[in-house]
Amino acid sequence: QLQLVESGGGVVQPGRSLRLSCAASGLTFSSHGMHWVRQAPGKGLEWVAVVSSDGGTKYYADSVKGRFTISRDNSKDTLDLQMNSLRPEDTAVYYCAKEGSAAARLAFDIWGQGTMVTVSS
Amino acid sequence: EIVLTQSPATLSLSPGERATLSCRASQSVGSYLAWYQQKPGQAPRLLIYDASNRATGIPARFSGSGSGTDFTLTISSLEPEDFAVYYCQHRNNWPPAATFGGGTKVEI
Repeated sequence: QLQLVESGGGVVQPGRSLRLSCAASGLTFSSHGMHWVRQAPGKGLEWVAVVSSDGGTKYYADSVKGRFTISRDNSKDTLDLQMNSLRPEDTAVYYCAKEGSAAARLAFDIWGQGTMVTVSS
Repeated sequence: EIVLTQSPATLSLSPGERATLSCRASQSVGSYLAWYQQKPGQAPRLLIYDASNRATGIPARFSGSGSGTDFTLTISSLEPEDFAVYYCQHRNNWPPAATFGGGTKVEI
């Protein structure tokens, strides 16, 4: 069964750091690019970051560039998001999502259940 | 940066009716458009990729069409479980960033 499970969310003060993780199972993790997508309470989806299948290429949304770092460990089938200098506007549910295969490679075919991050003093 | 505009924001329909959702891109995206369904408290689910291809396990009542800047998601006959929020999404090979539309809520 293909599954992504996020962890690491919580309540953090502005300016502090938090690290999210996403554990994959039931899929060939190292074959696919992986993304983080977030959703603020009551709002739509916002793409955050991507890392290529081999970890060599990373790309970020302007809103998090310089503060967030995406990484992956293909030996452990895990994806991470290191979030520094957190702001109240980073409050959201954070989802990890897998790129589809072949013709669906530009879409996200598997999503985790999400982990909530609240940035508040 | 490509902007995706979805309309209407809310669609009020009854079970059995046909739903037509629109997604317009600020510039041509070819056929590189996907659609997702999201229910409250759940992660999004991929419905359609490459504008018109149904993802694995998606019922035939869901269909996608369009190319360039104008796309449509059609639900031929609404089932009770179809009342949800629907998002369109675009991504290029490079840069690999993704863009989502603002969503359309299909309500009873």
